[in-house]
Amino acid sequence: EIVLTQSPGTLSLSPGERVTLSCRASQSVRSSYLAWYQQKPGQAPRLLIHGASSRATGIPDRFSGSGSGTDFTLTISRLEPEDFAVYYCQQYGSAPNTFGQGTKLEIK
Amino acid sequence: EVQLVESGGGLVQPGGSLRLSCAASGFTFNSYWMTWVRQAPGKGLEWVANINQDGSAKYYVDSVKGRFTISRDNAKNSLFLQMNSLRAEDTAVYYCGRSNAVDCWGQGTLVTVSS
Repeated sequence: EIVLTQSPGTLSLSPGERVTLSCRASQSVRSSYLAWYQQKPGQAPRLLIHGASSRATGIPDRFSGSGSGTDFTLTISRLEPEDFAVYYCQQYGSAPNTFGQGTKLEIK
Repeated sequence: EVQLVESGGGLVQPGGSLRLSCAASGFTFNSYWMTWVRQAPGKGLEWVANINQDGSAKYYVDSVKGRFTISRDNAKNSLFLQMNSLRAEDTAVYYCGRSNAVDCWGQGTLVTVSS
């Protein structure tokens, strides 16, 4: 099983700032099958990025993903108030698929 | 509109069983892998199981192997999760999702395992 470790656990930032979230895998993620999700309280998650760097339908271009192998990042170029949420990475290249433990982005 | 609607959650005693259903609409159901993900109260997301388009391939997280069974009925555009020998640690909101990188989620159904 591939273990995904996200860092940091919590980030306190202000609107307008740039942020980079990290997701590290315990072994190489096949074909960069790595996704990022955003989840707000009381809501289902929303897919942001798939294939490590492809934005999902309707996702603003301030969200970008990069990486390969075992190291992946999600960057939000300029934080909007609605971006404060919990972010999860997921690998779907190997069974069982796995999620990271999440990074909480909170308003400073 | 692409839509997934889960049902079947509820309160069950330890050792009991539940069958979750997910009704799909707005897309060609038999063209997609389907996934179950759960989230315990106040915790992160946990991938549970997935199934390929014709039901010939199924995968599970280790903690549910031998207890949970994922299945689908393509004629009825429905996904299922049969959960047996339920434990307190199975208490969670269960989401069904389209595809392996889940691009469409249901609203979730709460399963509570408690005596």
